[in-house]
Amino acid sequence: LAKTTQPISMDSYEGQEVNITCSHNNIATNDYITWYQQFPSQGPRFIIQGYKTKVTNEVASLFIPADRKSSTLSLPRVSLSDTAVYYCLVGDGSNRDDKIIFGKGTRLHILP
Amino acid sequence: NAGVTQTPKFRILKIGQSMTLQCTQDMNHNYMYWYRQDPGMGLKLIYYSVGAGITDKGEVPNGYNVSRSTTEDFPLRLELAAPSQTSVYFCASSYGRFGNEQFFGPGTRLTVL
Repeated sequence: LAKTTQPISMDSYEGQEVNITCSHNNIATNDYITWYQQFPSQGPRFIIQGYKTKVTNEVASLFIPADRKSSTLSLPRVSLSDTAVYYCLVGDGSNRDDKIIFGKGTRLHILP
Repeated sequence: NAGVTQTPKFRILKIGQSMTLQCTQDMNHNYMYWYRQDPGMGLKLIYYSVGAGITDKGEVPNGYNVSRSTTEDFPLRLELAAPSQTSVYFCASSYGRFGNEQFFGPGTRLTVL
């Protein structure tokens, strides 16, 4: 089961680009990298998922280097409403014993 | 679609009482999950199910029980509530295996006094 390490907290300002990096040194060949966002008093919400190189959707971009031992979630031009906890998860889940784990996540605080 | 719904939203229990947290999804998802989240912490997996009639333990199953008689419903049972079970409980579902996008319910905030 791949373990992830991400910063506990980050601060940024409105309009800036925010990059949150996640380390997953023992990622397995079949593992995908998934990011979730959680607002206070709500359940997590899926943001983006990728396997290698770069993935982009209407909310964020995910950059994954060739060795896949880390990944970076990029949020363009953040606003106050992007203040939330962001979780990096690694896994495939194709085996019943392969449970994907939510860590403590990164608390992102956007300042005006 | 309503997605994943949970009831109740809030509940206060006395030590030793029992209760069932309800979870229903209308997306015809095979996988369903129960998590708990303590203040300032991440989510911990309690139990999960890969389909009707099949359940399995997660990281922190002690003190809880589950059943999955239908695709839609995945209730979580707390027997003999303890203060350590004070937490926010989230139910989630996904179409396929763990790696697929999980859809979360709004949560149940439980306090055991």
